[in-house]
Amino acid sequence: KNEVEQSPQNLTAQEGEFITINCSYSVGISALHWLQQHPGGGIVSLFMLSSGKKKHGRLIATINIQEKHSSLHITASHPRDSAVYICAVRFWAGGGADGLTFGKGTHLIIQP
Amino acid sequence: AAGVIQSPRHLIKEKRETATLKCYPIPRHDTVYWYQQGPGQDPQFLISFYEKMQSDKGSIPDRFSAQQFSDYHSELNMSSLELGDSALYFCASSTHPYEQYFGPGTRLTVT
Repeated sequence: KNEVEQSPQNLTAQEGEFITINCSYSVGISALHWLQQHPGGGIVSLFMLSSGKKKHGRLIATINIQEKHSSLHITASHPRDSAVYICAVRFWAGGGADGLTFGKGTHLIIQP
Repeated sequence: AAGVIQSPRHLIKEKRETATLKCYPIPRHDTVYWYQQGPGQDPQFLISFYEKMQSDKGSIPDRFSAQQFSDYHSELNMSSLELGDSALYFCASSTHPYEQYFGPGTRLTVT
C-alpha cells in the first residue's frame, strides 16, 4: 500500500527555535508537497518538490529521492508558524492528474 | 493573485438530501482535484479532472459524481447524504502536472 509517514505528530517549541519535520514514503513518487493548515482553515501549499532543495523565507524543504525522505525546516520560528504541517505525495501511477496521498500531519505549536 | 474559489463555503443538509459543491480553478489551470477531510482526519483524494475528462479516481463513493465544465470549473454532486459525509471538501487546481493550489474548502454538515 502506498503510504506517507510523518514525524513527529506533535511538536511544541519556543520562539526562535529551529524546527524540523520529517516525511517518509513507501514507493516512488513524482512529486512531494508540503502544506500548511490552520485549525478549521484552508490548506496553503508551501512547496512542491521532485528533487533537491527549495527555500522560501524562513522555510526550507529538502528531498532525498533515493532514501524516500523529505524534511521541512523552519528557521527562527515564530508563534504565527503554529499550524498543522502536512506532507502529501503524488505516487507514480502511469501519468494523469493523480491525486495526492497525505500524511497525518504534524501539529506545531510555537510558544512565545 | 487569483485563487481557487469554492462555493458555498458552508452548507447544512439533512440525511438523504443532495448537495452540489462548486469549484472555480485559478485562471489557465486545466486540472481540478477534489479532496474530503473528515473531522480530525487527513484529507482523502476523491477524484480529478484534466481538460474536462476524468483523470484519476480515489475513494469517491458511488453516491457522488463530479464533472469539469468547458470553462474548467468543476462540480461535485452528492446524493443520498449520510451523516458520515459531514466533512470539509477541498478543491485544488493546477496546470497539469504541477503544483496544486487549494481552495478554502466547503464545510458540509449533514444532520
